Amino acid sequence: ILNVEQSPQSLHVQEGDSTNFTCSFPSSNFYALHWYRWETAKSPEALFVMTLNGDEKKKGRISATLNTKEGYSYLYIKGSQPEDSATYLCAPYNNNDMRFGAGTRLTVKP
Amino acid sequence: KAGVTQTPRYLIKTRGQQVTLSCSPISGHRSVSWYQQTPGQGLQFLFEYFSETQRNKGNFPGRFSGRQFSNSRSEMNVSTLELGDSALYLCASSPDVSPREQYFGPGTRLTVT
Repeated sequence: ILNVEQSPQSLHVQEGDSTNFTCSFPSSNFYALHWYRWETAKSPEALFVMTLNGDEKKKGRISATLNTKEGYSYLYIKGSQPEDSATYLCAPYNNNDMRFGAGTRLTVKP
Repeated sequence: KAGVTQTPRYLIKTRGQQVTLSCSPISGHRSVSWYQQTPGQGLQFLFEYFSETQRNKGNFPGRFSGRQFSNSRSEMNVSTLELGDSALYLCASSPDVSPREQYFGPGTRLTVT
C-alpha cells in the first residue's frame, strides 16, 4: 500500500507571503512524483513531474524539490497571489501504483 | 489544440444499472488514464491505457473496466452500479506512458440513486 501524506491540510496566507507544503511517500521502488494544482470547478493542472533524487523544478513563482531517498517533496510558492488559491496534490508513482495525497488547500487573502 | 473532452458531463443512474463514460484525448496523445474522485477517498487511480492495451490498474473491483480504441479514444464501463460509485470521473491524456505530464478533462459527474 502506498501511503502518501501531505501537510498541512490547509493553509491561509496573505498576498505576498511565501509558503511551502510537504508531500511524504514511501521511498522504496520510487519511479516518479507528480504535482498538480486543482482549482475549484476546474480540472487538475499538471505542475511538475519529477523523477531524479535532488531534482528541482521551477515554473514562475512555483518550485519543487525531490528527495527520493527519504521520500519527500516540497512545493514552494514565492510571493503568493490570490489566483494561487487552489488545492495542491502530489502523486508518487511506485511499483506501477500511483496514489494521490489528500492535498493541501491554499487560500491566499488579498 | 483541443483539450481532453469527456462525455457525458453529468449522468444520473440507478443502482444495478451499468454506465459507459467516454474520453477523447488531445490529438496525438496515446496514453489515457482514468481517475475517480470522491469526497471520502479523494482522487484515486483507476487504470491507464496505451496503444489499446491496459498498462496499469488501480485497486478497484472488476465491475470497473475500460478499453482504448485505435484512435486513442477511451471508454470506461461500470457494471452493477452501487451508491458508492457516485463520483467525479476524470480522464487524463499524455503523449506517452507515465510518468509523463498529464492533461485532465473536465470530468463526468456520475450520481447513482
